[in-house]
Amino acid sequence: NAGVTQTPKFQVLKTGQSMTLQCAQDMNHEYMSWYRQDPGMGLRLIHYSVGAGITDQGEVPNGYNVSRSTTEDFPLRLLSAAPSQTSVYFCASSSGTFQETQYFGPGTRLLVL
Amino acid sequence: GEDVEQSLFLSVREGDSSVINCTYTDSSSTYLYWYKQEPGAGLQLLTYIFSNMDMKQDQRLTVLLNKKDKHLSLRIADTQTGDSAIYFCAEMGGSQGNLIFGKGTKLSVKP
Repeated sequence: NAGVTQTPKFQVLKTGQSMTLQCAQDMNHEYMSWYRQDPGMGLRLIHYSVGAGITDQGEVPNGYNVSRSTTEDFPLRLLSAAPSQTSVYFCASSSGTFQETQYFGPGTRLLVL
Repeated sequence: GEDVEQSLFLSVREGDSSVINCTYTDSSSTYLYWYKQEPGAGLQLLTYIFSNMDMKQDQRLTVLLNKKDKHLSLRIADTQTGDSAIYFCAEMGGSQGNLIFGKGTKLSVKP
């Protein structure tokens, strides 16, 4: 199993540009989530999904959209990037909401100029 | 609201024990976790403890849970330079069933 994969590893955007951060898992996990990690802030939940076709907002959802058309994929979309979205983004998945074994991807470093 | 607090830095000498402390606020948390993040990498689940346990040992790692004081600690015995990383405490207690993370403790191990 590849586990949780994320692409790209690093991206530079200009303010106002859009992009999609990809996340995929091959463990047939129902629960997937996106976090952002900022210095001194720990990790904060952006959006999450408890299964295909079901998504919901986390702590900091503004400026981000998600969809879950398949169990495997959970892309995160930035419609109009802002410098405040400069961060490291982590996707995670787990087999259930108890997240006893939550697996994290390697992260995507995003710089918005 | 939920909050997880931990000290930001810890420095130890190689071979010594490291103790990383964490306090949390949600008494209904069912699971508490320790994650390790090495430079430029994602988070790796180190260990977890269920809320009805007081202690869990896993090789060099010992987790202690004091539910009364809402205090969690991670002890690393015989700390090695490879243990240098950021350690995150997290509780499973968010209203969305998500993890609430502390800001992380950077452990530096000196030879």
